[in-house]
Amino acid sequence: ETGVTQTPRHLVMGMTNKKSLKCEQHLGHNAMYWYKQSAKKPLELMFVYNFKEQTENNSVPSRFSPECPNSSHLFLHLHTLQPEDSALYLCASSQAGGRAEQYFGPGTRLTVT
Amino acid sequence: GQNIDQPTEMTATEGAIVQINCTYQTSGFNGLFWYQQHAGEAPTFLSYNVLDGLEEKGRFSSFLSRSKGYSYLLLKELQMKDSASYLCAVRDRQAGTALIFGKGTTLSVSS
Repeated sequence: ETGVTQTPRHLVMGMTNKKSLKCEQHLGHNAMYWYKQSAKKPLELMFVYNFKEQTENNSVPSRFSPECPNSSHLFLHLHTLQPEDSALYLCASSQAGGRAEQYFGPGTRLTVT
Repeated sequence: GQNIDQPTEMTATEGAIVQINCTYQTSGFNGLFWYQQHAGEAPTFLSYNVLDGLEEKGRFSSFLSRSKGYSYLLLKELQMKDSASYLCAVRDRQAGTALIFGKGTTLSVSS
């Protein structure tokens, strides 16, 4: 099983839909992250979880709702999104201390119509 | 606040050496990372510097000067497969393990 997996890989949703993105890590890490990557912009940190506790919410609109049921799984629940939310959503994991390099999943390409 | 600058694009030829620079401003520096991202793929970890000096790993090396807020990634013996975006990221003590990324440098290697 590869290190960090994300499903779905591609998602098209209307502005009134509700959908969820899933991330799973098989590396024994205890920190997980959601990032948004838009064209011509740097990777934007959205949420950080350490030992299942949310430690950072980087001023993300409430239409994005994270959930971390255990240290291996991370969800991003989406509702009433806007077209400008179309982007690549990347999940990452790391150890909670030390060098803590982050390992990224392949991402979910989200298109909001 | 935090600010990370790196060139938007660079070009080079196969076999050459290229240096990608990154300057940063952060109040509580706690490490600098370089990632490689091929188009349509996830970023992959390349290197980590927390102390001044050069870290070498095969064809790739990364340098850090904390007093100057400066790092570079050096790629030797360039190959076509090195065409990718190279992301500089900084960790700040106040942000725990979270990383702040630059916009990335798109490197195009031609034959």
